[in-house]
Amino acid sequence: KNQVEQSPQSLIILEGKNCTLQCNYTVSPFSNLRWYKQDTGRGPVSLTIMTFSENTKSNGRYTATLDADTKQSSLHITASQLSDSASYICVVSANTGGFKTIFGAGTRLFVKA
Amino acid sequence: DAGVTQSPTHLIKTRGQQVTLRCSPKSGHDTVSWYQQALGQGPQFIFQYYEEEERQRGNFPDRFSGHQFPNYSSELNVNALLLGDSALYLCASSFRGIPLYEQYFGPGTRLTVT
Repeated sequence: KNQVEQSPQSLIILEGKNCTLQCNYTVSPFSNLRWYKQDTGRGPVSLTIMTFSENTKSNGRYTATLDADTKQSSLHITASQLSDSASYICVVSANTGGFKTIFGAGTRLFVKA
Repeated sequence: DAGVTQSPTHLIKTRGQQVTLRCSPKSGHDTVSWYQQALGQGPQFIFQYYEEEERQRGNFPDRFSGHQFPNYSSELNVNALLLGDSALYLCASSFRGIPLYEQYFGPGTRLTVT
């Protein structure tokens, strides 16, 4: 069964600290993996997108890694800011003849001053 | 360059009623996908439209139907509303239905069923 699991479910950190969010998936055949940031009540905004051959991709203070062998991805946030408070959603797409997209439940990040 | 727009922003309906949500894709995009997001959950794929036809569908009942117009805009219709249909409904647009192409999400429509 195609699944995307994220951990932790929620996280509280102090402003300026770093954090790492995890994503494990069982989706196959793998096409690509994306990380989205979603502010409360808003639509998700793309942070990174990675294909099978990519191990790391950065977008400012956000760095995503992908290990296609272990089917794991992480999103590292450096020097967190209050505006980083949001849900971070891992999304994996499979090429099953038609493309199938599976969303994780997200990690809720709270950054405190 | 307008991004993805959705209307209305908020909507309150009663059980058993019908609702229509609307989405205009980002300029240059021709594919629209609809998602349902319950509070505290990730989005669940409802269906995708390309070339005015439903191309893929998630595990949603026939009460959920849609349409895509020649200008690529789309509607999501939900009949016989249930309390469990209360959610944020997200529309995402992309180019030619290939997920490697970036999907841009709209702000969503918050539907409350009472």
